[in-house]
Amino acid sequence: NAGVTQTPKFQVLKTGQSMTLQCAQDMNHEYMSWYRQDPGMGLRLIHYSVGAGITDQGEVPNGYNVSRSTTEDFPLRLLSAAPSQTSVYFCASRTFRDRKSYEQYFGPGTRLTVT
Amino acid sequence: DAKTTQPPSMDCAEGRAANLPCNHSTISGNEYVYWYRQIHSQGPQYIIHGLKNNETNEMASLIITEDRKSSTLILPHATLRDTAVYYCIVRGQTGANNLFFGTGTRLTVIP
Repeated sequence: NAGVTQTPKFQVLKTGQSMTLQCAQDMNHEYMSWYRQDPGMGLRLIHYSVGAGITDQGEVPNGYNVSRSTTEDFPLRLLSAAPSQTSVYFCASRTFRDRKSYEQYFGPGTRLTVT
Repeated sequence: DAKTTQPPSMDCAEGRAANLPCNHSTISGNEYVYWYRQIHSQGPQYIIHGLKNNETNEMASLIITEDRKSSTLILPHATLRDTAVYYCIVRGQTGANNLFFGTGTRLTVIP
């Protein structure tokens, strides 16, 4: 299993541009989420999904959209990038099915800079 | 959700036990204590979790006080690869989805 994969690893955007951060998992996990981490801080939840077709907002959803059309993929869209969205973005997933369901698996992150 | 308090940083000699404390005095009866770590800007990694009994796995031990107001994560024989930021998180069972990370404890293992 590849686990949780994220693309791209690095991205530089200009203010006002839009883009999609990709996240995929091959573990058939029901739950997927997006976090952002600003320098020197912990992670903050942006959006999450408990299954295909179901999404909900986290702590800091403004400026981001998500959709979940398949179990495997959970893309994060930046509608109009702003310098305040410069951050490292992590995708995570977990399953509800077994004893390990409390464990979340995180991807390697996407480092985004908005100029 | 209960708030947690952790020291900002700690050092530990290589090969010795690393004991990382966490205070969660407002924890409620159905909330679990989770520990994750983040090694140098990588994605966080799950370590262990518990409700009220002490827990041990291949990575660490979790000791929760009887009143559940604090806990200690123990890495029994710290190695240089254990240098990381360690996060203590308290969440209810249904809230295991959406984790709230504070700033954690930066553990430095010294050769």
